[in-house]
Amino acid sequence: EVQLVQSGAEVKKPGESLKISCKGSGYSFTNYWIGWVRQMTGKGLEWMGIIYPGDSDTRYSPSFQGQVTISADKSISTAYLQWSSLKASDTAMYYCVRVSYMVRGFPGAFDVWGQGTKVTVSS
Amino acid sequence: QSALTQPRSVSESPGQSVTISCTGTSSDVGGYNYVSWYQQHPGKAPKLMIYDVSKRPSGVPDRFSGSKSGNTASLTISGLQAEDEADYYCCSYAGSSVVFGGGTKLTVL
Repeated sequence: EVQLVQSGAEVKKPGESLKISCKGSGYSFTNYWIGWVRQMTGKGLEWMGIIYPGDSDTRYSPSFQGQVTISADKSISTAYLQWSSLKASDTAMYYCVRVSYMVRGFPGAFDVWGQGTKVTVSS
Repeated sequence: QSALTQPRSVSESPGQSVTISCTGTSSDVGGYNYVSWYQQHPGKAPKLMIYDVSKRPSGVPDRFSGSKSGNTASLTISGLQAEDEADYYCCSYAGSSVVFGGGTKLTVL
């Protein structure tokens, strides 16, 4: 079964750093781009960026460029989303997604979703 | 990139059909045939229902169909069932990015 399994919920203080993970299984992890999608409480979905685990090529949404870092370790089939200094506005559910196909270097659709990681940032 | 525009909510009775619209611009929905739709039940992760405007992934019932005209894409669900009650999000390739709609809450009366 193809699946993405994310790390557990996190509660952090403003200014702290954080790295959440997403482990792929059931398919060739290095052959598909992996992305991250944010969903703030009661709000819609926002595409954050993608990474190709095969060579760590990374693309970011303009809205999230410089705000987060996406990385991957292909040896353990795991992608990461990282913050160096969290803000209260980073409180949200974060989903990792598998990109089913690319269009001129950007995602066409997302066919597999992780279960989500809830991040709460509060003093 | 502005979010695609969807109605906040729609409702219909079981067995009937409902259509959810998704309006963008010529830079996203209108410019490419790469619109996808996602279903999200409360507390669950989204699920891909339609891609490339009108294609259904394996396992998605044929009650779900997609179309596009100009800058507006549409998701139609026929023969509504109680389990179809969920939030639905459209998504479009937008050149050097990807943009989602704000989501539509479907209530099956």
